[in-house]
Amino acid sequence: EADIYQTPRYLVIGTGKKITLECSQTMGHDKMYWYQQDPGMELHLIHYSYGVNSTEKGDLSSESTVSRIRTEHFPLTLESARPSHTSQYLCASSEWTAGELFFGEGSRLTVL
Amino acid sequence: AQRVTQPEKLLSVFKGAPVELKCNYSYSGSPELFWYVQYSRQRLQLLLRHISRESIKGFTADLNKGETSFHLKKPFAQEEDSAMYYCALDLEGGGSNYKLTFGKGTLLTVNP
Repeated sequence: EADIYQTPRYLVIGTGKKITLECSQTMGHDKMYWYQQDPGMELHLIHYSYGVNSTEKGDLSSESTVSRIRTEHFPLTLESARPSHTSQYLCASSEWTAGELFFGEGSRLTVL
Repeated sequence: AQRVTQPEKLLSVFKGAPVELKCNYSYSGSPELFWYVQYSRQRLQLLLRHISRESIKGFTADLNKGETSFHLKKPFAQEEDSAMYYCALDLEGGGSNYKLTFGKGTLLTVNP
């Protein structure tokens, strides 16, 4: 059973607000990822981390930022949310030798 | 540039019929490919990867480098196979770091 958790599951906020999407895993995985997915569209990699204090931007440009201070925690922050940020955000983790990603349930963000 | 193409957004078959979900990729290196599945109200999860050459839940997928394809096949579809299927390509070339890019997905419906 994958132990990766995302909070909040659903969030509706107004434009200009700062938000943080939390992602935690208890599997001790070094690698963690954030994907953005619009309805009916592919998952786009927006951030990834191969270990503590290591973060990289993904293929899709995003105004969000991430941090990796602890192995188990990989939060994503939007300093000033806009309607264009409305989307589902999926967090995932993997072991260092495996290509298997364990996904969280997702955080669905709506910015009004 | 689109690296993973799943040409069918929707695919509907009857129970017991063969099913093939198409995936084509573009990648200059040695590709490593995966199929992920998302059942209703469940998380996205790994179904199979080409390097393991295994059959999971009756599904198989063969990498065809000449046609740059990785189609997912099952000879006799079951109703419980109804789900969203995503083809994914590792952009890191199969080293110890994995960075997956996903196709748009195909929604498979198996009718009774």
